Amino acid sequence: GDSVTQMEGPVTLSEEAFLTINCTYTATGYPSLFWYVQYPGEGLQLLLKATKADDKGSNKGFEATYRKETTSFHLEKGSVQVSDSAVYFCALSVPSGNTGKLIFGQGTTLQVKP
Amino acid sequence: DGGITQSPKYLFRKEGQNVTLSCEQNLNHDAMYWYRQDPGQGLRLIYYSQIVNDFQKGDIAEGYSVSREKKESFPLTVTSAQKNPTAFYLCASRLTGNTGELFFGEGSRLTVL
Repeated sequence: GDSVTQMEGPVTLSEEAFLTINCTYTATGYPSLFWYVQYPGEGLQLLLKATKADDKGSNKGFEATYRKETTSFHLEKGSVQVSDSAVYFCALSVPSGNTGKLIFGQGTTLQVKP
Repeated sequence: DGGITQSPKYLFRKEGQNVTLSCEQNLNHDAMYWYRQDPGQGLRLIYYSQIVNDFQKGDIAEGYSVSREKKESFPLTVTSAQKNPTAFYLCASRLTGNTGELFFGEGSRLTVL
């Protein structure tokens, strides 16, 4: 079935370091791909998305490119800040049936130290 | 401002009691969803509804029930049949026909004592 796999955390970085969080997926058809961010005690906020192969989603300095050939959607940021500390979820939309269901990875906790 | 409101934010329940979590949206979205979040397990889908008076089971529906009598509201009842109900519950909604983005509420944390 459809699934999303993220790199395990926590990821601990110093401020201004480069960030990569790996995400790979398995899906039939052509899903849309998403990154969501969750701050402590809160719900999820959409960070960025891509709807077709080779699309690049970007927001707040974060980027991810939809790679169909490697079934990947890795999240990157050139220089992280302490305020980026949160849990990051990769997700895909189930292509069939137009139900709008999202399948999520297990989440990756990012800790940025000053 | 438009958004999704979940209540209560924190809830404590004794074993054997049913509890209902509220989810209200004023985004005029057609579809609504309930997810459960446990540490290190991501989010798992409990129930979803694409239209009023209709809903479908997700991956972990056992021990839960929902209703969709109004477009704006999608309450979730955690019944005494749910074996491990302590979790963080997230409600989301989506406008049918868009690229699949879900909008989430702030969540409700249920603790069974």
